[in-house]
Order: sequence, then C-alpha cells, then structure tokens
Amino acid sequence: EDQVTQSPEALRLQEGESSSLNCSYTVSGLRGLFWYRQDPGKGPEFLFTLYSAGEEKEKERLKATLTKKESFLHITAPKPEDSATYLCAVRRTSGGSYIPTFGRGTSLIVHP
Amino acid sequence: DTEVTQTPKHLVMGMTNKKSLKCEQHMGHRAMYWYKQKAKKPPELMFVYSYEKLSINESVPSRFSPECPNSSLLNLHLHALQPEDSALYLCASSQDTDRNTEAFFGQGTRLTVV
Repeated sequence: EDQVTQSPEALRLQEGESSSLNCSYTVSGLRGLFWYRQDPGKGPEFLFTLYSAGEEKEKERLKATLTKKESFLHITAPKPEDSATYLCAVRRTSGGSYIPTFGRGTSLIVHP
Repeated sequence: DTEVTQTPKHLVMGMTNKKSLKCEQHMGHRAMYWYKQKAKKPPELMFVYSYEKLSINESVPSRFSPECPNSSLLNLHLHALQPEDSALYLCASSQDTDRNTEAFFGQGTRLTVV
C-alpha cells in the first residue's frame, strides 16, 4: 500500500537554529514528491516538486532533497515567519490516475 | 498565475440548509480536486474531476454532490450536512492526473454546520 510518513510530528526551533524535516514514502513507481507549506486556516502553498533520487531544489532558506526512500526539507537559519505546517505528498495510483496523497505533516514553530 | 480561487471563505449553515462551494482556476488545468481537512489532520481526498468528468469518488456521502460545469469551474453542493462535516474544504487543480505535476490549492472554505 502506498504510504507517506512524516517526522517529527512537531518541531520547535530557536531563530537561526537549522534543522531538517523527514518524509519517507513507499509507493510503487514514484511520480513526483511534493512539499507544501500550510499556514493555519489556509490552503497548502506549493513549495517544491522532486522527481528522481539525487534531485535537490532550493528556495530562500529551504532546501528539499530526495533519495529512493525519503525526502528531507532542510531549513537553514529559520525565522519566525517560517513557522507553519510542512506537508509532504506523493501521487498514489487510483483507478488509472495518480492522486496527490499527503503525510500528516510537521508543525514547525520558530521562536524569536 | 498559479491561483485557485474559492468562495465563500467562510460558511455557516444549518443541518437543513442547501449551500454550494465554488472553485475557479484559469491555468488551463484539466484535473480538479475537492479535499476535506479537519484540524491538525492532512487534507483527505473527496473527489477528482479529470477533463470535466468525475473520475474518483472516495466513498463520500451523498449529502456532498460535486459538479464541474466547465474546465475552469468546480462546485460542491451541500445538503443535509451533519455537525461532523464542519471542516476546511479545499479545492485544487493540476495539469492532469497522469503526469508528475504539482497540484495548486485554493485558500479553502471554512465550513461550520450548526
């Protein structure tokens, strides 16, 4: 069964304290791994798509990497405005289609 | 432009009411989705439309009725809802369901059933 597991469930950091979020997946035939940021009461905001092992993408203080079994979202020198829930998603197969399916997310709080 | 627009932003309805949620995108995407999200949970898929045809219904109760009038619009008709249906309802779109393309989400409709 296709699964996406994120860890940790919650993470508290001090401003400037770098860390990483993990997303492990078991899907038959990966068709993209996606990272989103979600603020409370808002829709998920697209961050990155990774397609193949070894691929990396960067945006400001965020860097996403992908291996054959997992993806990491590295946050370098975070700021309070980086506080949000970070969701990982993969496309799972369903009736011939590939449907975005989410992990439970990591809730990040960055203290000033 | 990667915008998906949902209206209304907030909705309070009684259990006997009929209401509709609306979603619009102008990115030329041919796949559109409805997700339901409860507090501190990930989004859960409800329906998928591919090329304006319903392709996936994740065993959603019939009190939720989706409609895709054209390739840019997606509606979710609500009737006789229960308080446990209160949630954030998210619309998303992607190029299609076959490719490795990302889905873009609207800001959601916060639904409260009283």
